Order: sequence, then C-alpha cells, then structure tokens
Amino acid sequence: DMKVTQMPRYLIKRMGENVLLECGQDMSHETMYWYRQDPGLGLQLIYISYDVDSNSEGDIPKGYRVSRKKREHFSLILDSAKTNQTSVYFCASSSTGDEQYFGPGTRLTVL
Amino acid sequence: GDSVTQTEGLVTLTEGLPVMLNCTYQTIYSNPFLFWYVQHLNESPRLLLKSFTDNKRTEHQGFHATLHKSSSSFHLQKSSAQLSDSALYYCALSNNNNAPRFGAGTKLSVKP
Repeated sequence: DMKVTQMPRYLIKRMGENVLLECGQDMSHETMYWYRQDPGLGLQLIYISYDVDSNSEGDIPKGYRVSRKKREHFSLILDSAKTNQTSVYFCASSSTGDEQYFGPGTRLTVL
Repeated sequence: GDSVTQTEGLVTLTEGLPVMLNCTYQTIYSNPFLFWYVQHLNESPRLLLKSFTDNKRTEHQGFHATLHKSSSSFHLQKSSAQLSDSALYYCALSNNNNAPRFGAGTKLSVKP
C-alpha cells in the first residue's frame, strides 16, 4: 500500500513553543520533502532529503530544521514557533526525479 | 535555476466548455520530467499526469497534455469541463539534478 502519513493532522501551539511534525512513507523512496502551503502562495519547498542524513535547504528554510535518521521517516522541527509559521504543512516522497506522493497535511496554528 | 510558469490565478469556466491551463518551463537539462498535480479542496495534491517523452500525448481521467520541448510547454487540456474538475492545479518540473519546481498553481472553477 503506497502511503505517506503525517502526524499530527491538527496542532495548535503558542508562540515560542517547539513544534515537531512527523512524516512516514512505506514505499522505500529515497527522496522526501517538506512543503508549506498558504493561500495564494502555492506550495513552497522548505527542505528536501535525498536519503538518510542527506538534507538540503529548499526555498524557505529559515526557522525550520529537519531530521532523517531512517529512510521511511522525515521530521520537521520548528524551534520557537512564530505566528507567521501558521500554515498547512505537506510532506511528500518520491523516487529521485519521479512523481511525488503527498501526505494528508498538518494544519498548524501558532497563537 | 529551473522554473515553471502557469496560467495565473483563477480560471472560471462554464460546465461543458473546454479546459486549457498553460504551463511553460525553463531548464538547462535536456530530459526533464513534467507533471500536473490536482488538489481538491481540503485534500492533498495528487498526480494527474506526467511525461518525459517529447511530442507524446499523455492522458488520464479525461485530461491530456503533450510535452513539447521545442516550446518548453506542457499545457493541460480537457474537452469538456465538469463541476468536479473545480480544483487547484499545479504544473511541476523535475530532473535528477535539482529539487523539483512547482508553478504557482491555477485555480479552476467550473460553474453550472
């Protein structure tokens, strides 16, 4: 079953708190991605991971960091969350260069 | 670097009329993959079409697109719009060398 999962699906945090978003995939894809989606701004790439411990910044990495210790798991961490990080976050995975499979998304609100 | 340009903003159509959403791209690599993703309201993006073959039409769920490397285009078409086609559509470019690039997205609204 080809699937990308994300936890949690909904999260409310206060400004300054730490946030951990988790993503898993069962397709043994080497490449995984974190995006955020805001109205009118489309999908913005935060980080891309080409494999375990091989992570690269995307277009908007400031304020975020990632961790990939196992091929099937990719975490997004917000240290000291800010209100402008309120967004919907999507994780995706793919074989290198091929179509991306997206998770269901996490709706994060930072108060 | 790579880039993708799509029909901007909102496209509003009456049911039954043809759909055409434009997508052009820029890349220095000769063998890009091009994709169309569709995202319905409160859902995640999912693949609609993909191609890496020049001048070959690819079809799925009534939509079709042809990659034209000579004009760097991969326009999405459908002969007759349905209400259920209302969604956000993304064109995307990928190659084995760089992170994939998404266009800004085109919102298609189909009215009765």
